Amino acid sequence: GAVVSQHPSWVICKSGTSVKIECRSLDFQATTMFWYRQFPKQSLMLMATSNEGSKATYEQGVEKDKFLINHASLTLSTLTVTSAHPEDSSFYICSASRGAGGQETQYFGPGTRLLVL
Amino acid sequence: AQRVTQPEKLLSVFKGAPVELKCNYSYSGSPELFWYVQYSRQRLQLLLRHISRESIKGFTADLNKGETSFHLKKPFAQEEDSAMYYCALRGNAGNNRKLIWGLGTSLAVNP
Repeated sequence: GAVVSQHPSWVICKSGTSVKIECRSLDFQATTMFWYRQFPKQSLMLMATSNEGSKATYEQGVEKDKFLINHASLTLSTLTVTSAHPEDSSFYICSASRGAGGQETQYFGPGTRLLVL
Repeated sequence: AQRVTQPEKLLSVFKGAPVELKCNYSYSGSPELFWYVQYSRQRLQLLLRHISRESIKGFTADLNKGETSFHLKKPFAQEEDSAMYYCALRGNAGNNRKLIWGLGTSLAVNP
């Protein structure tokens, strides 16, 4: 159990277009999901915390108007990169929280590779 | 400030040798500590957490509050242990459930 999927797994788009990435918890409900960027051979950078039914909490330096997050249900969060530019090219990873207290665990999706031309 | 430090970017050992991946943290309260692992071309996954006090794939990690460390150890490294290892911290204040991540240590186990 505890499987998280992401779609698409990779996407190539033209500069100026918008791209939507979906993150789904397949076999559990996730009140909280997280969106990360990962640069080659580097650590994860948390972009935002996505809470079902409320506005996302963005980390400092992350443009909320650029990276739109919607968490419409307990199993789906979406990240939309608006007006994408080449510097937005990256590996985007989502995770979903399951459990509570000391047993709370983040389960990760496989990631989405975005290339903006 | 909340911070997780993994001083080694790359660690290379021979098969059968002991391995220790260092993790130090900075947090004013009592955090939860985790080790996550990312094998080549696979997603990030939880390896172990300090609360569980368990051994996973031969790895153990002890939380040392005095030294604010959570080093990951394995007595005999295997080639399949080659991966990227991340130490992470979660605070216990309020509803903030996010993880604070170290920069990761790439472990290479050579035959």
